[in-house]
Amino acid sequence: DSGVTQTPKHLITATGQRVTLRCSPRSGDLSVYWYQQSLDQGLQFLIQYYNGEERAKGNILERFSAQQFPDLHSELNLSSLELGDSALYFCASSAPPNYGYTFGSGTRLTVV
Amino acid sequence: EDKVVQSPLSLVVHEGDTVTLNCSYEVTNFRSLLWYKQEKKAPTFLFMLTSSGIEKKSGRLSSILDKKELFSILNITATQTGDSAIYLCAVGAQGGSEKLVFGKGTKLTVNP
Repeated sequence: DSGVTQTPKHLITATGQRVTLRCSPRSGDLSVYWYQQSLDQGLQFLIQYYNGEERAKGNILERFSAQQFPDLHSELNLSSLELGDSALYFCASSAPPNYGYTFGSGTRLTVV
Repeated sequence: EDKVVQSPLSLVVHEGDTVTLNCSYEVTNFRSLLWYKQEKKAPTFLFMLTSSGIEKKSGRLSSILDKKELFSILNITATQTGDSAIYLCAVGAQGGSEKLVFGKGTKLTVNP
């Protein structure tokens, strides 16, 4: 157990639907990162939150949004889902300036 | 745009062989290079390199960074079947975010 908890582990949903992925960071870590991993693109950075505030944004679609709550857990909301959104979504956390961040086990999203 | 290129994309070896995995990068304001091992799901941290020419070692794994030529190598000696995994290289840049840019990975298969 890495200490970073992601739920659910698997999600199957239909096109056009909306889902929420949840991440609890490792105890003491203030930063949460969301990454998308697909077969052809590798790990792509989506967004980072630090202590409740958005810190950096990557190639995150407008249909996707995220937030980090006062207890530091984070949620990634994906809406108007398309087949191409099927991927593994990872959350990671770190306590800067340590850059060796810890990944959760991921949520496998399948859009049918 | 920051970029990380790993080679080879896949590699099949026999137990006991020594392998070298390559990672080249282009990043503005380089801060660090990291190696991760991804088996079934979550990438797990192996090394973080920030200075040229200083080898990091952990058991049969070692890595070194060349900041002049913008590359890193990951060596695995006396490979075992348990080394079979995808090895990911990532770079971080200086600035306000600790996001990482990942390569697509090298898939290593070690046959008995």
